[in-house]
Amino acid sequence: GEDVEQSLFLSVREGDSSVINCTYTDSSSTYLYWYKQEPGAGLQLLTYIFSNMDMKQDQRLTVLLNKKDKHLSLRIADTQTGDSAIYFCAVDSSASKIIFGSGTRLSIRP
Amino acid sequence: DTEVTQTPKHLVMGMTNKKSLKCEQHMGHRAMYWYKQKAKKPPELMFVYSYEKLSINESVPSRFSPECPNSSLLNLHLHALQPEDSALYLCASSQTGTSGTDTQYFGPGTRLTVL
Repeated sequence: GEDVEQSLFLSVREGDSSVINCTYTDSSSTYLYWYKQEPGAGLQLLTYIFSNMDMKQDQRLTVLLNKKDKHLSLRIADTQTGDSAIYFCAVDSSASKIIFGSGTRLSIRP
Repeated sequence: DTEVTQTPKHLVMGMTNKKSLKCEQHMGHRAMYWYKQKAKKPPELMFVYSYEKLSINESVPSRFSPECPNSSLLNLHLHALQPEDSALYLCASSQTGTSGTDTQYFGPGTRLTVL
C-alpha cells in the first residue's frame, strides 16, 4: 500500500528557513497536503499542492513537488517560535482516504 | 468558515461507562470522518460517512459505534472501552468523501482517557 515517510525531528534557529521533507510511494496521488499540529490540538490544514504543479507559494510557505522522485517539501521562511509544531505530510490514496506520514517535530532555537 | 467543532474537549471514563463524542460542521460538507491518534503518531482512520451513510469502517472494534444523524453532525458512541483506547479522537469533514482528492478539515479533537 501507499507509504509516506518523513524525518522525525528538525531543529532550526529563529529567523532561519525550515525545510521539511517527505517522500511517498504512490505515483497516482493527485493532492498532497501539509498539516500542522500544535501540542494538544487538532490538525490544521496549512497548504496543499495539486500533482501537476511543481511549486506553490503562500506567504511564508513554499511547497515544492518533484513528482519524478516522489518528493515533497515544505519550506517555512523566517521561522518563528509559533511555528513549533508537528508537521504531517499526507497524500490522497483511494476514495475517501488520505495517508499520513509519521510527522516531523519542528523545534525552534533562539 | 472552515471550522469543525468537537465536544467534549476532554473526557475521562471508566471501562464500564457509556459516553459519546460529538462533532459538528456547518460548511455544507457531506462527508465526515473519525480518526484516532495516539501520542507521537499520525492519525489513523476509523470511520467515514458520505451522504450520511457509513462508507468506510476500518475494522474498528464494536465498542466504538459511529452515528451520523444528519449531514452536519457526527457522533461516536463509546461503550466498554479499554485503557489502550485512550487517545486523541479527531473528527474531520470534506466536500463529498467520494474522492481521495477531497480536502479534509479537522476539528480540535477530544482527549479521551479510559481508566
